[in-house]
Amino acid sequence: DQQVKQNSPSLSVQEGRISILNCDYTNSMFDYFLWYKKYPAEGPTFLISISSIKDKNEDGRFTVFLNKSAKHLSLHIVPSQPGDSAVYFCAASVTGTASKLTFGTGTRLQVTL
Amino acid sequence: DGGITQSPKYLFRKEGQNVTLSCEQNLNHDAMYWYRQDPGQGLRLIYYSQIVNDFQKGDIAEGYSVSREKKESFPLTVTSAQKNPTAFYLCASSGTYTVSEQFFGPGTRLTVL
Repeated sequence: DQQVKQNSPSLSVQEGRISILNCDYTNSMFDYFLWYKKYPAEGPTFLISISSIKDKNEDGRFTVFLNKSAKHLSLHIVPSQPGDSAVYFCAASVTGTASKLTFGTGTRLQVTL
Repeated sequence: DGGITQSPKYLFRKEGQNVTLSCEQNLNHDAMYWYRQDPGQGLRLIYYSQIVNDFQKGDIAEGYSVSREKKESFPLTVTSAQKNPTAFYLCASSGTYTVSEQFFGPGTRLTVL
């Protein structure tokens, strides 16, 4: 029962272009969403988050959009840089619970020159 | 430097042996977590602890055990009962159990021969 899904296992984007990573969820109780970036053999690092009371959150080159009715969120990276090449995980949680995160399976982003 | 340390980075064990993975944090966080990552899969929660001397099973706790005797430390024991122990293990912490942003350690790659 995959409650958080990232249906694209990989994505290749040219440097300078926009990268769009998608995530869908099934549990309507989720009200807080996060994106993490992970390099091989390292722990994930937190990128950006969004609460369900918002539909957009922006931090520099990273913007997360949330569509609650569609149970869909996306991460936009503009402009994409070679250093952005990594695996990106979306995660979801229910505020006020034990802060348990449910992760998607990840999307590997390759930014090419 | 504040952060989470996991040791060792790589660990090899023979089948049937128990092994303990170390996780230490100096972020003064109350909550700590253990995840497992397998190829092509997201992070799956093994155990979590909201406070010292208390912990709960996550989604895949069978074959694992933990202790939380100190705020800073949350060791994970992979027992011989765990059928597929070879994986990448990640420890994380968050300020309180109501805060969703979790900070991850560098991980331990366990290989059972």
